Amino acid sequence: AQSVTQLGSHVSVSEGALVLLRCNYSSSVPPYLFWYVQYPNQGLQLLLKYTSAATLVKGINGFEAEFKKSETSFHLTKPSAHMSDAAEYFCAVTSNAGGTSYGKLTFGQGTILTVHP
Amino acid sequence: DAGVIQSPRHEVTEMGQEVTLRCKPISGHDYLFWYRQTMMRGLELLIYFNNNVPIDDSGMPEDRFSAKMPNASFSTLKIQPSEPRDSAVYFCASSLPRLAADTQYFGPGTRLTVL
Repeated sequence: AQSVTQLGSHVSVSEGALVLLRCNYSSSVPPYLFWYVQYPNQGLQLLLKYTSAATLVKGINGFEAEFKKSETSFHLTKPSAHMSDAAEYFCAVTSNAGGTSYGKLTFGQGTILTVHP
Repeated sequence: DAGVIQSPRHEVTEMGQEVTLRCKPISGHDYLFWYRQTMMRGLELLIYFNNNVPIDDSGMPEDRFSAKMPNASFSTLKIQPSEPRDSAVYFCASSLPRLAADTQYFGPGTRLTVL
C-alpha cells in the first residue's frame, strides 16, 4: 500500500519569501511522485513529477522538488513567492505495481498556501 | 485540445433525487478516473476505467453510486438516491499511461449540493 503525508494543512508566507511545502511518502516499491496545484473553483493541474530520472525536478511557475529516498520525502520549494501562488497544493504517489494499482494516484490531504503582500 | 470536460459545473438537488454527472475525457486517453473531494475526506478515488472497462471500484462508497463508460469519449457517475452527505466536488481525470507515471489531466469538477 502507498500513502502520502503532507505536513501542515496551511502555510502562510510573505510575497518574495521562500515557499516550502512538505511531503513524505510511504511505498513498498519505487514510487513515482507528483505535485498538483488547485486554484479556487478549478481542477487540479500538474506542477511537476518525479519518474526515477533526476532527483531534482523542475516544474512550472518556478517550483521545484527534490526526491530524497533516505528521507522518503518529496518537498516542494519556490525561492520567491508570488501572490498568484496562493492555492492548494497536493502531493501524490503511484508506482509501476501491476494489477488494479497501475496508474492509481494516492493523494495527500493538501496544503493551502497563503501569500501575504 | 479542449481538455477534460465535465457537466454540469454545478448541481443542486433535493435528497432522494437521482443525480447524473458527465465526463468527456481527452481524445485518445484510455484511462478515466472519478474522484470526490470534500473538506473532511480530501481527494478520494471512486472508480477508474481502462478502455471503457471498470478496473477498480473499491472507492465507490455505497450501492447508491454507479459509474459507466459506454464508449471511449463518455462516462457517467450516477447517484440514486442522493443524500446530503454526497455533497462534494466530483472530478473526472483522464490519462494515457504508457508508464504509470504519465500525467492525469483533471476536469474543472462538478460541485454537487444535496439539500
